[in-house]
Amino acid sequence: NAGVMQNPRHLVRRRGQEARLRCSPMKGHSHVYWYRQLPEEGLKFMVYLQKENIIDESGMPKERFSAEFPKEGPSILRIQQVVRGDSAAYFCASSEEQGALGGELFFGEGSRLTVL
Amino acid sequence: AQTVTQSQPEMSVQEAETVTLSCTYDTSESNYYLFWYKQPPSRQMILVIRQEAYKQQNATENRFSVNFQKAAKSFSLKISDSQLGDTAMYFCAFPHGGATNKLIFGTGTLLAVQP
Repeated sequence: NAGVMQNPRHLVRRRGQEARLRCSPMKGHSHVYWYRQLPEEGLKFMVYLQKENIIDESGMPKERFSAEFPKEGPSILRIQQVVRGDSAAYFCASSEEQGALGGELFFGEGSRLTVL
Repeated sequence: AQTVTQSQPEMSVQEAETVTLSCTYDTSESNYYLFWYKQPPSRQMILVIRQEAYKQQNATENRFSVNFQKAAKSFSLKISDSQLGDTAMYFCAFPHGGATNKLIFGTGTLLAVQP
């Protein structure tokens, strides 16, 4: 049973370009979470999705960031017109159940975005 | 506001010795889980141990155990017989709202195990 798969592992973009990060949850998991880790900091929640639905996007910046989890295919975190401050590691996690009382959170290895 | 605080940015321990990492949190929830995650140089987040708040017994996983003090809102991680492979960042995490996977992470403690 493969774990949470994220790609690309490393992505370099110039200011103003778009970044797309992909996440395939563990088999059988229907809940996906995106977290961002800035250098020297802990992970910060961005968004929680189920298939075809955004459940909680309270941690997403209001502009330039969007996320989706289509019926088929991986979850996508999209950053438009990237700026240097977007440079970070972006982690995806998945769970079988929504609540911590039921489901353990499994993390991918992260995608490291560098904006030049 | 729900917060998680790790007051030790860095710690060092000799191989085979025991070390304790501190974590405090603030919440008004009565039933929740608490987690310790390990992030080695590979950067993948690995669940080390979790504690259920309604259980009085402290969780244990092999060399890892917690000291959970609910009234004090303290959740420390004890690593016994430290090994070189334990060198990593350790994050304490707490679910926002008590029963979700929307985790709030502390700022982490960098543990270095010395040979």
